[in-house]
Amino acid sequence: EVQLVESGGGLVQPGGSLRLSCTASGFTFSSYWMSWVRQAPGKGLEWVANIKQDGSEKYYVDSVKGRFTISRDNAKNSLYLQMNSLRAEDTAVYYCARDGQQWLVPTYFQHWGQGTLITVSS
Amino acid sequence: SYELTQPPSVSVSPGQTARITCSGDALPKKYAYWYQQKSGQAPVLVIYEDSKRPSGIPERFSGSSSGTMATLTISGAQVEDEADYYCYSRDSSGNQGVFGGGTKLTVL
Repeated sequence: EVQLVESGGGLVQPGGSLRLSCTASGFTFSSYWMSWVRQAPGKGLEWVANIKQDGSEKYYVDSVKGRFTISRDNAKNSLYLQMNSLRAEDTAVYYCARDGQQWLVPTYFQHWGQGTLITVSS
Repeated sequence: SYELTQPPSVSVSPGQTARITCSGDALPKKYAYWYQQKSGQAPVLVIYEDSKRPSGIPERFSGSSSGTMATLTISGAQVEDEADYYCYSRDSSGNQGVFGGGTKLTVL
């Protein structure tokens, strides 16, 4: 069974930093693109970033470029999101998601974690 | 930046057909995917590659795409189908993912 478990959420002040982790199990982690998707309270879903199987390609939504960094450790079956210079508008539930295909291009999100809440507030 | 446009809400009576649309300029060349999200839960994939249904998704869910519009159809909608529905696709470069704004489906 595919499992994705996020951790690292919490309350952080504006301008602060936080690192999210996602631990994967039940599949060959190194074979899939992985992504972070977020959802602000009462709002819709927003794709944040994704990373290729070997980490050689990374893409970000414009609003987080230069502030967030996605990374992965295939030996630890783990996905990360380093978030710097956090803003109030980054407040959201952050989901870790696994791609639907073992392709060399990103496709869609077939499996999701339960999410971790980040609150940016003073 | 690339956008996908959905109606904010759709309402049907039980047993009726619900149709939720998603429009985007890149849809003629990019697949559309549909997610169902119930309150407090993670999203669930209900349609992939425009019209394919994952295992475990009821047959009443179907998808289609023509030109710049993709459509999710729920034939014989049931009360348990009440949820927010999001379309997802990628921009013309394939590098940026984007969700539609979401459609709240009410079945009553």
